Amino acid sequence: GDKVKQSPSALSLQEGTNSALRCNFSIAATTVQWFLQNPRGSLINLFYLVPGTKENGRLKSAFDSKESYSTLHIRDAQLEDSGTYFCAAELSNNAGAKLTFGGGTRLTVRP
Amino acid sequence: GALVYQYPRRTICKSGTSMRMECQAVGFQATSVAWYRQSPQKTFELIALSTVNSAIKYEQNFTQEKFPISHPNLSFSSMTVLNAYLEDRGLYLCGARQGANTEVFFGKGTRLTVV
Repeated sequence: GDKVKQSPSALSLQEGTNSALRCNFSIAATTVQWFLQNPRGSLINLFYLVPGTKENGRLKSAFDSKESYSTLHIRDAQLEDSGTYFCAAELSNNAGAKLTFGGGTRLTVRP
Repeated sequence: GALVYQYPRRTICKSGTSMRMECQAVGFQATSVAWYRQSPQKTFELIALSTVNSAIKYEQNFTQEKFPISHPNLSFSSMTVLNAYLEDRGLYLCGARQGANTEVFFGKGTRLTVV
């Protein structure tokens, strides 16, 4: 089964509204990264988290290793926020520090 | 800042031929480099993880004979797709990091089309 389950798979937001994406880990995670993939395929680093919270502008992310989940909050969504968001975790059963990706959330921000 | 340059950005190859892609890390030492493939359905598969001074570890369903990887120093890695067929299509991404429990930086990807 999916070791990193990301939800929702798709999301449509009105410009100016807020929302949250979530990743649940079936195996304990040690670090989490969030990326935005643009239409050309490039992965843009948003956050790198050990357990805790980080904020950058309208984005805020949290990683709770005990409860095995991470969230990405988007505040005051803008048109340029549209794209596909991925979480990726370093899972504790990994040998070799690889990232396991969630399935992605396709975000569309409407004017 | 840390950057990873990946090239080519896209390539088209005839079925049964091979193509090579390369990644260059700038601004940090790429102790570990992982090669991923993203399917047209957007799921990521890890192909292999290469750590300097260690053997390259291939994931199930991927082999060195099909996807040979070179990681000769702390700034460069390459991967070749040998005898490419339709099922090898996708976006190939290299992700590099300086060590365990550090941030991974990705190249912009190489989109492989097989005709």
